[in-house]
Amino acid sequence: GAGVSQSPSNKVTEKGKDVELRCDPISGHTALYWYRQSLGQGLEFLIYFQGNSAPDKSGLPSDRFSAERTGGSVSTLTIQRTQQEDSAVYLCASSLDSSGTETQYFGPGTRLLVL
Amino acid sequence: KQEVTQIPAALSVPEGENLVLNCSFTDSAIYNLQWFRQDPGKGLTSLLLIQSSQREQTSGRLNASLDKSSGRSTLYIAASQPGDSATYLCAVRPGTGRRALTFGSGTRLQVQP
Repeated sequence: GAGVSQSPSNKVTEKGKDVELRCDPISGHTALYWYRQSLGQGLEFLIYFQGNSAPDKSGLPSDRFSAERTGGSVSTLTIQRTQQEDSAVYLCASSLDSSGTETQYFGPGTRLLVL
Repeated sequence: KQEVTQIPAALSVPEGENLVLNCSFTDSAIYNLQWFRQDPGKGLTSLLLIQSSQREQTSGRLNASLDKSSGRSTLYIAASQPGDSATYLCAVRPGTGRRALTFGSGTRLQVQP
């Protein structure tokens, strides 16, 4: 596609429910990143996928958060038993590779509100 | 742990002014540094990427410089326009270990017509 796409664009859920956020990276990009942008917290790294390598999950805030990337393309970020502090904008980015020379391109984000 | 600081947090200038946004980072062992723009309610748009071996990058009215040894980068915007109003974020990628970016908290720019 022309750019990174994310769905849904907005999600309102009740505390305790599970949510799934989807990211469709730019075609051919092997690296995919999830970040979270919260009020007062800035942008923080969550998880990173590179090709078929094991993902870097070091940024996930708790075991309620998980992500997978199927077929090296689309990724889903799942938040189980959502809490109000999970309310944030979840941003996905992709890059051609992870060598450090390539720009990360960001999607428009999913705005999650947990009531 | 890498920390990225951006000063000022907010800036308001009249149209036509040249301006400089500052970014500093605590660990100079970086792979690259990237400047982004974020409009309200939108995602991030990459403006410039500077490799650790480079000193500056230019795109149109934008010029970004990097002094890795002192842990500083500046984004220079020439002849500012109201359309430049946005939040500008600086992010560094570490030279080793984690591949993800560490972001500053941003500078919110308002260009008055």
